[in-house]
Amino acid sequence: DIQMTQSPSFLSASVGDRVTINCKASQNINKYLNWYQQKLGEAPKRLIYNTNNLQTGIPSRFSGSGSGTDYTLTISSLQPEDFATYFCLQHNSFPFTFGSGTKLEIK
Amino acid sequence: VQLVESGGGLVQPGKSLKLSCSASGFTFSSYGMHWIRQAPGKGLDWVAYISSSSGTVYADAVKGRFTISRDNAKNTLYLQLNSLKSEDTAIYYCASEATDYWGQGVMVTVSS
Repeated sequence: DIQMTQSPSFLSASVGDRVTINCKASQNINKYLNWYQQKLGEAPKRLIYNTNNLQTGIPSRFSGSGSGTDYTLTISSLQPEDFATYFCLQHNSFPFTFGSGTKLEIK
Repeated sequence: VQLVESGGGLVQPGKSLKLSCSASGFTFSSYGMHWIRQAPGKGLDWVAYISSSSGTVYADAVKGRFTISRDNAKNTLYLQLNSLKSEDTAIYYCASEATDYWGQGVMVTVSS
């Protein structure tokens, strides 16, 4: 199985900051990497698919990059509504595996 | 697109439960579907997948105990949960093949 190591687990930042969240796969996942945002009590929402494709309706301050085993989610200028938990998902091969999550908190 | 789960509840260890996911707004029969779960306060765990042709794949943690199935005539996805354990306690989400659409989730609590 492919292991996904997500970092950091917690991130404290201010409105307007640029933040990055990382996921490292235990083997090449061929850019089959998605990013999700989850707010308390809600289902996850897909932000980015296949490394760098922005989901329709998601603001352009969200972007993704990476290749091989290393992937990054960047939020260019944090907005109040961005404080949430973020997860990555590899869908290169079954079983699909998620990162452990990054909780983004207001500083 | 709308996905609506049902069937959750409190169940004793070793017992069974069947979850349903009613789909609308897309051609259900043409797409695979997933079940994904989230234990309280924890991360996301992929559980199972069924293809449009009803091929199935399971996570090791549930293989042999859970069964994913679909009824295309009813636009409904199912997850049969047998031999339940306390560690199966979670919110269970159904999700579309590309995981771009998720249901609201249904809570399953396994406790005596």
